[in-house]
Amino acid sequence: DAKTTQPPSMDCAEGRAANLPCNHSTISGNEYVYWYRQIHSQGPQYIIHGLKNNETNEMASLIITEDRKSSTLILPHATLRDTAVYYCIVIPETSGSRLTFGEGTQLTVNP
Amino acid sequence: NAGVTQTPKFRILKIGQSMTLQCAQDMNHNYMYWYRQDPGMGLKLIYYSVGAGITDKGEVPNGYNVSRSTTEDFPLRLELAAPSQTSVYFCASTFFPPGQGHNSPLHFGNGTRLTVT
Repeated sequence: DAKTTQPPSMDCAEGRAANLPCNHSTISGNEYVYWYRQIHSQGPQYIIHGLKNNETNEMASLIITEDRKSSTLILPHATLRDTAVYYCIVIPETSGSRLTFGEGTQLTVNP
Repeated sequence: NAGVTQTPKFRILKIGQSMTLQCAQDMNHNYMYWYRQDPGMGLKLIYYSVGAGITDKGEVPNGYNVSRSTTEDFPLRLELAAPSQTSVYFCASTFFPPGQGHNSPLHFGNGTRLTVT
């Protein structure tokens, strides 16, 4: 159901930007891209979402390619507390309200 | 607002026992979800509901039942517990239908950690 592909793991140095990629080559129409993260067995936390334009909020930036087939979540100055599993989700128009997650990317921020 | 409240936080069951995992939200959300997460794995959708009286199966519904008699509550029932149901269970809710671009993200509870031995 989750039509996305993410690398299973990534590392980032503290204070540097973390760039997490997501491929969604079959995205279509009005399907939005959502990002959530899950810190060590807590419930997942919403980060950001977007359709076509780049988006920024207090947590992160979302860059969506012009063809919308991929996106990148950017944490501009990663901290140790950003170590988490990051989920990229595209919800199909035909899914109704069914919302499924993939395996996500384990981001480890190193001191 | 308390948000999404899950009880209990922890539970140990013997094989064949039954239990109900409780989930309540006080945000007047129509859409509610149950997920399970096995160690080191992603979240799997068990059941979801788009409103009181309406439920539907997710990816892994076998061995579980749900009901949605009120907007606030969405309990998950395990009838005959099996070791394969050892997992962390998360409940979530949102106001608008997911994926339609509304600024209405999923709100998650803190989870119920269930062990079946």
